[in-house]
Amino acid sequence: AQTVTQSQPEMSVQEAETVTLSCTYDTSESDYYLFWYKQPPSRQMILVIRQEAYKQQNATENRFSVNFQKAAKSFSLKISDSQLGDAAMYFCAYRSSTEKLTFGTGTRLTIIP
Amino acid sequence: DTEVTQTPKHLVMGMTNKKSLKCEQHMGHRAMYWYKQKAKKPPELMFVYSYEKLSINESVPSRFSPECPNSSLLNLHLHALQPEDSALYLCASSRDRENTANTIYFGEGSWLTVV
Repeated sequence: AQTVTQSQPEMSVQEAETVTLSCTYDTSESDYYLFWYKQPPSRQMILVIRQEAYKQQNATENRFSVNFQKAAKSFSLKISDSQLGDAAMYFCAYRSSTEKLTFGTGTRLTIIP
Repeated sequence: DTEVTQTPKHLVMGMTNKKSLKCEQHMGHRAMYWYKQKAKKPPELMFVYSYEKLSINESVPSRFSPECPNSSLLNLHLHALQPEDSALYLCASSRDRENTANTIYFGEGSWLTVV
């Protein structure tokens, strides 16, 4: 089974600043997908960004971008210009043709006004 | 805004009760999922339906019984639950199960408390 590790249980950032959430994973497969999901207090899991392993270009979605290092099996999320609405639990997740969607343990992000 | 709708949002039930959680999606997705999430933990997969057929059961106790009446609906029937079954139950869907590229979309969840 694949494993996804998020080593930062909690992070905080000043509003309007930039923060990076870390994620590493373990896999022997070459074709897979990586995701960052956000879960605010409303409890809905919301897709933030996704990355295809075969694409070298890092995915971006407005203020959210990833740093995908395939050889290092690292997939970090950068949030620029942090806003109060970004406060949530962030889960990194992995999926491949042979594996179900596997989540990391999550990072709770607090935005300081 | 979620396109996966779950009802009820909150449910309190006794250990001898029978209740059901419901999930609906109108995105034309042919794969639907049930996840269980305990507080401060990531979601854990319970069941996967693909084209209205059960394709994955992650060794879930029989007191949880899934049902997929049609491609848009997914139910989770609950009977004789234990207090440790109290959790957030998330429904999700994707275009299909086979194509890994398909994103899995989640509903807002049903918060279940067993007393």
